Amino acid sequence: AQSVTQPDIHITVSEGASLELRCNYSYGATPYLFWYVQSPGQGLQLLLKYFSGDTLVQGIKGFEAEFKRSQSSFNLRKPSVHWSDAAEYFCAAVFAGNMLTFGGGTRLMVKP
Amino acid sequence: NAGVTQTPKFRVLKTGQSMTLLCAQDMNHEYMYWYRQDPGMGLRLIHYSVGEGTTAKGEVPDGYNVSRLKKQNFLLGLESAAPSQTSVYFCASRTSGASYEQYFGPGTRLTVT
Repeated sequence: AQSVTQPDIHITVSEGASLELRCNYSYGATPYLFWYVQSPGQGLQLLLKYFSGDTLVQGIKGFEAEFKRSQSSFNLRKPSVHWSDAAEYFCAAVFAGNMLTFGGGTRLMVKP
Repeated sequence: NAGVTQTPKFRVLKTGQSMTLLCAQDMNHEYMYWYRQDPGMGLRLIHYSVGEGTTAKGEVPDGYNVSRLKKQNFLLGLESAAPSQTSVYFCASRTSGASYEQYFGPGTRLTVT
């Protein structure tokens, strides 16, 4: 079955440290891939997306993600985390048709 | 340009009561979606619409109905609320093009007691 998995439910990093959030998908081809961020009490905002081409994609707020076909992964990274990055992050995919399939989310906490 | 708006922001219902959640978008988007968000489960699609007058079932449609009488509005109805429908509900919209980027509303927190 087609699915998106985010293995880490919670992650805590220190401010200024680097960040990597993991995302894996299960599908027989390359889906369209997305990362969204949800700040407390807010809706979701698109950080970046990958459809094809360069496997390293840049997004807003200093985030980037790398698509690795061999690992069926699309991990999100940021070199230096700021306190304002504390939020919940969702990886999502379009496998076929019109619908986004979401992972379960990773809640990021930032220590001062 | 307000984007996607949702009404109401919060609601408490008793079991068996009915209510309608309203989603409105001012971006002239063709596609609109209703999701529910529960802890650890991400967002799950309830119903969606690919244009005015059309609706389709998503992953978790039971207990909900929808209508898209106007292009800018997408209504989600609960005819007889149950405690299992306690959740945060998000509406989203997008163009019919190939970008697939969905724009989300701020959410409605619904509690059914």
